[in-house]
Amino acid sequence: GDSVTQMEGPVTLSEEAFLTINCTYTATGYPSLFWYVQYPGEGLQLLLKATKADDKGSNKGFEATYRKETTSFHLEKGSVQVSDSAVYFCALSDRYTGNQFYFGTGTSLTVIP
Amino acid sequence: DSGVTQTPKHLITATGQRVTLRCSPRSGDLSVYWYQQSLDQGLQFLIQYYNGEERAKGNILERFSAQQFPDLHSELNLSSLELGDSALYFCASSPDGGANYGYTFGSGTRLTVV
Repeated sequence: GDSVTQMEGPVTLSEEAFLTINCTYTATGYPSLFWYVQYPGEGLQLLLKATKADDKGSNKGFEATYRKETTSFHLEKGSVQVSDSAVYFCALSDRYTGNQFYFGTGTSLTVIP
Repeated sequence: DSGVTQTPKHLITATGQRVTLRCSPRSGDLSVYWYQQSLDQGLQFLIQYYNGEERAKGNILERFSAQQFPDLHSELNLSSLELGDSALYFCASSPDGGANYGYTFGSGTRLTVV
């Protein structure tokens, strides 16, 4: 079945450091890929998405490229801020038959000043 | 404000009791999804409704049930509650029956069973 594997956390970075959170997926059909972010005490918010191979999703300085050859969708940001501290979830859904998202386990990021 | 409204925000109840969680989807969205988020199991898909009809079922216990009403709001009913049911319950909505546009999540209901 479809699944997502995310790098284990927690991750602690200094402000302005480079961020990478790894995500790989297994899918039998045509997955769309997503990154969601959850701030403390809040629900999940869509951060970015990509619907086909080689697409790049980007938002708020974050970006991720849909790599079919490596079945990956790694999240990157060039310079993190304290306000980026949150839990990040990678997710997939089949583009044509998907009724649900398959979420990774989440990666907690803490950015220290 | 995401546009998806969940009530109540917090709920504390005793084992064996029954509770109802409510969700109003974003205006124009026809699908409602329920997820359970716990520390040990992450985000688990429970059930989806599309325009009033059950569309997909995930890891939903028999003690749990849901429905979507004609005005598209949805309720998740949890009965014979156990300590292990303590979790965050999220509702999400999407415009269609699939996930092409991504979900919009509500802020969740934190259920504590004591």
